[in-house]
Amino acid sequence: EIVLTQSPGTLSLSPGERATLSCRASQSVSSSYLAWYQQKPGQAPRLLIYGASSRATGIPDRFSGSGSGTDFTLTISRLEPEDFAVYYCQQYGSSPQMYTFGQGTKLEIK
Amino acid sequence: EVQLVESGGGLVQPGRSLRLSCAASGFTFDDYAMHWVRQAPGKGLEWVSGISWNSGSIGYADSVKGRFTISRDNAKNSLYLQMNSLRAEDTALYYCALTPVATIKGSYFDYWGQGTLVTVSS
Repeated sequence: EIVLTQSPGTLSLSPGERATLSCRASQSVSSSYLAWYQQKPGQAPRLLIYGASSRATGIPDRFSGSGSGTDFTLTISRLEPEDFAVYYCQQYGSSPQMYTFGQGTKLEIK
Repeated sequence: EVQLVESGGGLVQPGRSLRLSCAASGFTFDDYAMHWVRQAPGKGLEWVSGISWNSGSIGYADSVKGRFTISRDNAKNSLYLQMNSLRAEDTALYYCALTPVATIKGSYFDYWGQGTLVTVSS
């Protein structure tokens, strides 16, 4: 099983700043099958990024994903007040058992 | 508009059973695989189970294998999760999630329901 480790656990930034969130896999993630989700309190997760770097429908272009192999990054170029939330990475490999999530990064207002 | 509405959660004693449902609308249900993902209170996300478009391929997390059964009724646009031998550690918000592919392998979850809460406690 691939283990995903997200860092930092909590990131404190101000609106307008740039956020860089990391997701490291214990083994190479095949075909960049890596997604990012945003979850706000009391809400379901929302898909932001799939295939490591493709934005989901309706996601603003301030969100971008990059990386391959074992190291992936979600970048939010200029934080808006509505971006403060918990972010999860997920790998979705070729086996049905290969759906694993990172533990999450909480992005909080400084 | 895609809508996924879960139901069936509640308070149940350890060892008992519960059946969750997910009513889908706004898309062609029998074109896509569906999954259940859970989130324990204050914790992260855990994939539970997935089922292909025609129920021909099914997968379970090791933590629920042998206790939970996923199924779907394409005529009713509905997804189900039969949960037996429930344990305290199964306490969580259970989400149904839609993928943009027909199989249960290699896809992200592009739509989620709002979840139904299952609490296992005596």
